[in-house]
Amino acid sequence: DAKTTQPTSMDCAEGRAANLPCNHSTISGNEYVYWYRQIHSQGPQYIIHGLKNNETNEMASLIITEDRKSSTLILPHATLRDTAVYYCIVSDHLANFGNEKLTFGTGTRLTIIP
Amino acid sequence: NAGVTQTPKFQVLKTGQSMTLQCAQDMNHEYMSWYRQDPGMGLRLIHYSVGAGITDQGEVPNGYNVSRSTTEDFPLRLLSAAPSQTSVYFCASSSWTGINEKLFFGSGTQLSVL
Repeated sequence: DAKTTQPTSMDCAEGRAANLPCNHSTISGNEYVYWYRQIHSQGPQYIIHGLKNNETNEMASLIITEDRKSSTLILPHATLRDTAVYYCIVSDHLANFGNEKLTFGTGTRLTIIP
Repeated sequence: NAGVTQTPKFQVLKTGQSMTLQCAQDMNHEYMSWYRQDPGMGLRLIHYSVGAGITDQGEVPNGYNVSRSTTEDFPLRLLSAAPSQTSVYFCASSSWTGINEKLFFGSGTQLSVL
């Protein structure tokens, strides 16, 4: 699976949009981009995933560049409860049954500032 | 639904002791997996299973055994605990419909080996 590069940490003011970047320049055509987050010491929580089109759900939006070499997770109105480590992962679901090959790196530690 | 349930939440072992970390899910998911997370690091895959009777190794399988006799349960066994196995352990599950199902994680087991 392709590797990802994320900033180690970011701050965002409460109520503002949090934009978390992720570089995946070696992504292949079959690989999806997944985002998970981990609040404090809890288990990771799925946020969103996409292949090449932008995606939106009740938690966030995912913007994937046309060349698919990078993406941005957008939390539209950040709250204090969004303080967490955010993981960007790419995985080829056709080669991997289910999600068993999801590799979690160290992610971005997002801190929401009151 | 309870989701993914892990027991115990905390455990302290002496070097050489054995124990089993329990993981159960009530979502009828085919896929289950175990990850470990060391301080300041991402999650590393230990073992996974794509169905009852089927298991395979992940990135860091040494020192751990698994079995999958039922769809619901996926226990992780430490045969002879070592201080290097001090970590937080997460169990995860996912269904498989061929459309990139998301991973559901348990709340974790914090293990200390003295």
